[in-house]
Formats: sequence, structure tokens, C-alpha cells
Amino acid sequence: DTGVSQNPRHKITKRGQNVTFRCDPISEHNRLYWYRQTLGQGPEFLTYFQNEAQLEKSRLLSDRFSAERPKGSFSTLEIQRTEQGDSAMYLCASGDRAYEQYFGPGTRLTVT
Amino acid sequence: AQSVTQPDIHITVSEGASLELRCNYSYGATPYLFWYVQSPGQGLQLLLKYFSGDTLVQGIKGFEAEFKRSQSSFNLRKPSVHWSDAAEYFCAVGPPSGAGSYQLTFGKGTKLSVIP
Repeated sequence: DTGVSQNPRHKITKRGQNVTFRCDPISEHNRLYWYRQTLGQGPEFLTYFQNEAQLEKSRLLSDRFSAERPKGSFSTLEIQRTEQGDSAMYLCASGDRAYEQYFGPGTRLTVT
Repeated sequence: AQSVTQPDIHITVSEGASLELRCNYSYGATPYLFWYVQSPGQGLQLLLKYFSGDTLVQGIKGFEAEFKRSQSSFNLRKPSVHWSDAAEYFCAVGPPSGAGSYQLTFGKGTKLSVIP
């Protein structure tokens, strides 16, 4: 059990560019979550996968955001046409039971 | 809609002193309740959780929390704080058992500083 890993840890991009983040969950965890955390706030739920199926999406997930989890293993979160308001820490968590959520260290995005 | 309030943004305590971090929630029913800790550069780590039963729950690192239904509160306590406890603490709620993602709703966090 090596824990949840996220790459990159930091990303600086210019407004309007596309970015993609990767999350590698703990092996064999079938649940995977994405959260966003802005400065001074707690994490906010973005989306949830059970295996490869994306079962829930928050209204925070605008149409510029897309998440995938091919083959039910790693997951990617892509943001198109980034805006300064997208600057945040993006957290991934995985688990194999209800309410079991092991968090990764996060990817910090800065949009300039 | 559910919400979590952590009234204290920043708390400073001396090492060895006791600690209480406050958490109040608003929810249609009694939710499941959680406390997480986040250290710089680290992911969120679960300290403890309450689902049902005994309203005083024990967690890791010597932390405990008490659920008070009448006050809609779930305060975190530690009798003697260590310098390594300096971190940010988040209270969270989740929907009671049932179908769904079991997504968590977090408070804004309380940053704990410890004076040696």
C-alpha cells in the first residue's frame, strides 16, 4: 500500500491553456473522488467514480472540466481554457468501502 | 443544504495544554461525522469518525470527539497537545447510510499553532 499519488504536485499555467492532472489510487480501490480546495476553504466535492463509471458530478464541475477513469484504475482531471478562478489545490481520494477516503497530497494549480 | 461551521479560523495553544476545536453542522438528519487533519504537503488524514452509538469516539494520535445531537456539534478534543499536532483540522459530514457517493462536505478548517 503506497498510498494515493497525484501528479504533478504543482502546475503553473497561463489563462486559457488546458491542463491535465493524474491520480493513482491505492490499488484495487474501486471508489475514487476528486475535490477542490481553495485558500482558506475546506475541500469541495467535484466528482466520484465507482470503478470506471462516473456516478456523481458537482455543479462546481463546469463544462470546462472533464474527468475520466479508464479501466477503473488511475483517473485524470482535465481543465480546458483555464481561468484564474481555477487556481486551487485539486485533491484525489480513493477507498473500497463507504466513507473510506484516503487522500493524496494534491496538485496545486496556479493560473496566471 | 448541508453545511459545516468551524467558528475558529486559528487557534494557538501551548505544548502540553488541552485542546478543543469546535464544529457545528446543519443537516436534515443526523449525518455521519468526521475529523480530518492536514499537514503542509500532506494529504488529509482521517482522525476519527462517528456513525452511531457511543457519542464519545476515540481516534488516532490521542484525539477524541463528542457528538451532541441537541447542539448539532461534534467537537474535537485532546488532553495534551504535542508540537507535532500543529496542522489544519477539518470537520466534515456525510449523508447517513444509503446509496450514493458518500461525498463529504467539509468546514473551512481550523489552523492549530503550538507554542513550545
